[in-house]
This record gives sequence, C-alpha cells and structure tokens, in this order.
Amino acid sequence: GAVVSQHPSRVICKSGTSVKIECRSLDFQATTMFWYRQFPKQSLMLMATSNEGSKATYEQGVEKDKFLINHASLTLSTLTVTSAHPEDSSFYICSARSMSDTQYFGPGTRLTVL
Amino acid sequence: GDSVVQTEGQVLPSEGDSLIVNCSYETTQYPSLFWYVQYPGEGPQLHLKAMKANDKGRNKGFEAMYRKETTSFHLEKDSVQESDSAVYFCAPGGVTGGFKTIFGAGTRLFVKA
Repeated sequence: GAVVSQHPSRVICKSGTSVKIECRSLDFQATTMFWYRQFPKQSLMLMATSNEGSKATYEQGVEKDKFLINHASLTLSTLTVTSAHPEDSSFYICSARSMSDTQYFGPGTRLTVL
Repeated sequence: GDSVVQTEGQVLPSEGDSLIVNCSYETTQYPSLFWYVQYPGEGPQLHLKAMKANDKGRNKGFEAMYRKETTSFHLEKDSVQESDSAVYFCAPGGVTGGFKTIFGAGTRLFVKA
C-alpha cells in the first residue's frame, strides 16, 4: 500500500517557539494533502487542505497565521505551528490523497508545548 | 451538510464473538466509503474500502457492504480476535472533485481474551 511519512514523530518545545512538521508521500504523488488534529480519545479534526502549488484551504475556526501550511512539491507538505502555546499540544496527523481518491495517513506527530 | 454516524463509544466482545459496528452516512455527493483503523499512538490505517454501491470491502476477516439504498456501510466480522482491538473510523468521502473525507467519531473495539 501507499506510504506516508511524518517527521518528527514527537517534539517537545518551549512556549513561543515555532515547530515545523513534514509530511511526505513516499511512493506516490499527491496533489492534495490534509492536516488533522486529534485530541485524546476523539476523532480526527480536519484543519486544512493543502494543494500543491497553491494556498491551503483552512477549516472554519483554524487560524491560518498560526498554522502555516506549505505544499511545495507533489510529495511534500509542511505544517508550521507558529508561536506555539500549551493549548497547541496535540497529535497532528497528515494524509495524502492518491489518484484513486483513497487517503493514506502518516504515523502522526505528537507535539508537546511546555 | 455531510455527516456520518457510527456505533458510539466502546464495544467489548469476547474472542470468537461476532461483531457489527454500524455506520450510516449522509452526503450531498456519491461517496466512496472507507473504514480506517487506528492503534494507540499511530495514525489511522486504511482497513477496507468500497468505491461504489454493492461493492464489498474485505480485509483480515472484516467485511463491509456499500448499501446505497440505506446509506450504510456496517463493519462486520464473524469471529473477532484479541488482535482486532483498536479504534475504527467510518469515513465517507474521496470522490473526484474535491469532496473531503469526513470521519465518524470512532468506535473503540476491545476484544476480551
């Protein structure tokens, strides 16, 4: 099956710093990638849709200046959490959509902001 | 708007029991249907899928039939195993044209040995 990687898998940072998370589709090209946030024992909450070569589309209530998304190539999207605060601590998961419209998920990144 | 409802909370069968996890959806477009499985600390993995009405997705003894007439995609297994314990998400979506996949709340399956 298709493989999506995320890096880093775990990050701890101080309040006020910025953190970048990378999402890569390893064996297929993805014109569309998605970023989700997941709180403990809850479902996935879509944050934004990332389209290669264009601006990301953010879901209602998600601050685009806070969560910067860049989709510079067909295999890479990045999420930067700017000026992170403890309430940004969460499990962030990306996914990439294949040509068959199936979404494949990365392993997730656990962010802890102290 | 589009929505999906699945069996809530936790399901606690014993090993060898049969299983049904319900999933019903409402969408404005004709979706593909997916079940994803998530293990602790990991991202969701595609479990099975059905791309059109009357298709049946199958994986590791699990099955789900795409029933357009009842807008349902129930996940079934004849005999569950302890290793099936995980969280399962029903997710309609993914048609060409930008329809976003939507996720159910998740059903936590805990199979007792």
